[in-house]
Amino acid sequence: QVQVVESGGGLVKPGGSLRLSCAASGFIFSDYYMSWIRQPPGKGLEWISFISRSGDTKYYADSVKGRFTISRDNTKKSLYLQMNSLRDEDTAMYYCVRGGARRGDYWGQGTLVTVSS
Amino acid sequence: DIQMTQSPSSLSASVGDRVTITCQASQDISNCLNWYQHKPGIAPKLLIYDASILETGVPSRFSGSGSGTDFTFSITSLQPEDIATYYCQQCGISMLFGGGTKVEIK
Repeated sequence: QVQVVESGGGLVKPGGSLRLSCAASGFIFSDYYMSWIRQPPGKGLEWISFISRSGDTKYYADSVKGRFTISRDNTKKSLYLQMNSLRDEDTAMYYCVRGGARRGDYWGQGTLVTVSS
Repeated sequence: DIQMTQSPSSLSASVGDRVTITCQASQDISNCLNWYQHKPGIAPKLLIYDASILETGVPSRFSGSGSGTDFTFSITSLQPEDIATYYCQQCGISMLFGGGTKVEIK
């Protein structure tokens, strides 16, 4: 069955960096756009980034543009999110999602990122 | 920028009741609207895409309608397992979510 499993979350100080990973299984990874969506504690959902099948097209929300970088390795069926210059407001559950702008049809359970001094 | 206004923010209903949630876009988005279900500690789930198409495996008591700027999501007969927060989401480059509707059992 389709599965996406996030890892790499944790506690980081403001200004620090973190790299999230997402391992995909149960589908042909290279056939799908992939996305990262986040949810701050007690708040709603925000689609922050997606990447095309080959990785040549990437989208970033204004809130993370210039600080976060999405990438993928189709040989490893993996998606990544490099997060730099982290801020308090980046504290959130981060979800790996199969799909791009059109819709996200499978979500992982999320990995928690906490930015705090 | 497109804004998505979802209402109500929460509701309480009895088992078997019909539940309706609305989502309004600030400009015409055609039928580019998805609905998701999110239960605490569980991965969010796509229920409806393109405003009215039921995702495979989703029970038929869930439905969606609308186009342009006004959209509706319904549960025809609320079940205990439907307790969750529901989100609309505009598909397309902005991919904005509505604020969510928390559904509880009365």
